[in-house]
Amino acid sequence: AQSVTQLDSHVSVSEGTPVLLRCNYSSSYSPSLFWYVQHPNKGLQLLLKYTSAATLVKGINGFEAEFKKSETSFHLTKPSAHMSDAAEYFCVVSDWSGGSNYKLTFGKGTLLTVNP
Amino acid sequence: DVKVTQSSRYLVKRTGEKVFLECVQDMDHENMFWYRQDPGLGLRLIYFSYDVKMKEKGDIPEGYSVSREKKERFSLILESASTNQTSMYLCASRGGTASYGYTFGSGTRLTVV
Repeated sequence: AQSVTQLDSHVSVSEGTPVLLRCNYSSSYSPSLFWYVQHPNKGLQLLLKYTSAATLVKGINGFEAEFKKSETSFHLTKPSAHMSDAAEYFCVVSDWSGGSNYKLTFGKGTLLTVNP
Repeated sequence: DVKVTQSSRYLVKRTGEKVFLECVQDMDHENMFWYRQDPGLGLRLIYFSYDVKMKEKGDIPEGYSVSREKKERFSLILESASTNQTSMYLCASRGGTASYGYTFGSGTRLTVV
């Protein structure tokens, strides 16, 4: 069975400093991994995805994530936080669940606060 | 860009009412999903559908049903709304395999009083 653990429920950074949101996963097969962002009272927006190509994945708004199979991790980073990055971030794994079915499993989310 | 549109942004319903939440996508995606989102619990899958008139239970289907009469529309039905169904409901669609990623609607915040 697959699972996703976001190691921090809340991360607080100052504007202009680096962001690190941590995610570990478990999967029986070769998963696809995603990071989504959700701003207050909005739906989820795809930031980036890993689908077994390059292990360093670049996404929108300057975010990137590195897939490390040996550590079963997919941490999200950004060199310099902006006030508009304040939101909740979800790490998601998509894995084969039989037949032609794939199942998404969401982490519980990390709330990012950016201080002026 | 794929658009997933949820018909209502906010809904307030009374206990025992039958509630319909509508979701429409415009990219001919085969796969559609309903999730509910609650603080501390993250997103949980209620039902999904891989084709017209086809439905599969997710992790928390109790108290819900779904309808998919047309490819672009996936409806979530609360047969008899209860206060523990107060939540944010998110619809998503996906084309092809899992590597395509999912596109989510803006959500419907349902309050049952």
